[in-house]
Amino acid sequence: DPKIIQKPKYLVAVTGSEKILICEQYLGHNAMYWYRQSAKKPLEFMFSYSYQKLMDNQTASSRFQPQSSKKNHLDLQITALKPDDSATYFCASSQETGGAPQNTLYFGAGTRLSVL
Amino acid sequence: AQSVTQPDARVTVSEGASLQLRCKYSYSATPYLFWYVQYPRQGLQMLLKYYSGDPVVQGVNGFEAEFSKSDSSFHLRKASVHWSDSAVYFCAVRSRNMGYKLTFGTGTSLLVDP
Repeated sequence: DPKIIQKPKYLVAVTGSEKILICEQYLGHNAMYWYRQSAKKPLEFMFSYSYQKLMDNQTASSRFQPQSSKKNHLDLQITALKPDDSATYFCASSQETGGAPQNTLYFGAGTRLSVL
Repeated sequence: AQSVTQPDARVTVSEGASLQLRCKYSYSATPYLFWYVQYPRQGLQMLLKYYSGDPVVQGVNGFEAEFSKSDSSFHLRKASVHWSDSAVYFCAVRSRNMGYKLTFGTGTSLLVDP
């Protein structure tokens, strides 16, 4: 059974609309992340959260807003969608203890977003 | 600037042949290095990681990697590849001065000819 669930698997949106990508992890981890994968930038870090608090934001646009309603949830809201936002969005999680960089990130299967 | 470089975008090998996928890093702090694999239409799975000790680390499915501080490299190897190894392989790095961010290279697409 997948331990990191991303919904939906596929998403088609029109330019200018708003979508929410869902991520739930059942690994008991305290840190969660969003990455984006497109033809232009293979695996691009977007956000990291620890204990539901934003740790790092490498996304220039405010159109991308992570939302953490529960410890094991990190959704991604995207507003005013553009065709350039078309990509696969991956959620990941890890158990971070004492800032140890060797901890492993576990990834979900991704949400493939197409903006027309 | 800190970076991870995978110089080979595509590699093709015959089934049963040996494999080396290259990864070079450039970091001022001590790097913690990972290899991930992505099978078609799937997420990423970690193969192995290095953060200290023996520079040769063993991973899943017969993969291993060797850390070289002098060469700033972390190449992935496998003695005999199988057609099911066809996938995209990513080298990645974390370091203490980067917080929780895991930075990936551009990936190497491996095709194993049966």
